[in-house]
Amino acid sequence: SAVISQKPSRDICQRGTSLTIQCQVDSQVTMMFWYRQQPGQSLTLIATANQGSEATYESGFVIDKFPISRPNLTFSTLTVSNMSPEDSSIYLCSARRSGANVLTFGAGSRLTVL
Amino acid sequence: SQQGEEDPQALSIQEGENATMNCSYKTSINNLQWYRQNSGRGLVHLILIRSNEREKHSGRLRVTLDTSKKSSSLLITASRAADTASYFCATALIQGAQKLVFGQGTRLTINP
Repeated sequence: SAVISQKPSRDICQRGTSLTIQCQVDSQVTMMFWYRQQPGQSLTLIATANQGSEATYESGFVIDKFPISRPNLTFSTLTVSNMSPEDSSIYLCSARRSGANVLTFGAGSRLTVL
Repeated sequence: SQQGEEDPQALSIQEGENATMNCSYKTSINNLQWYRQNSGRGLVHLILIRSNEREKHSGRLRVTLDTSKKSSSLLITASRAADTASYFCATALIQGAQKLVFGQGTRLTINP
């Protein structure tokens, strides 16, 4: 299965700032997804990162707040913009290869907003 | 709202005992998957069961699926301390099967 590297692994940010999380996959993948996981909770899908086009956002998530890029088949970024304490969470990148049903996950990026 | 509801939310058992976790979902699915998450880490895929399957085994794991009740169970036999983790079911919907919707998770603690 693919290996996913995410960075930063954790960060402490000030209110009103923005942070970009990077996700690098060691092989080409068809689908890449970004999830949010609040402490002790389940995963909520933010968006599907589409290669070469705009991401597909889930209900409750908007591009202005969570801009996503996917310039090629192995790399994606998620930016959390104008952060507030409510954005404190773990952000997880995941990927799926062509023809596969299962997801591979990165280790996550734990953000704390003060 | 989340597709999957899991119970129990937390389970604590002695090493060597069996652990059973349940997952219910609301809409028709293409397949159902179980993932494990160790504290502070990403999720790891454990097992997948398709909508036309009723039971599947993988090592010490046994998964059942009842599509009429829209429920699944994960059984871990002969538990070990290393099994301590959170376990999530995830459903691939028939429509939109490209993405997974995760349940609330069960926090499993194995006591030595």
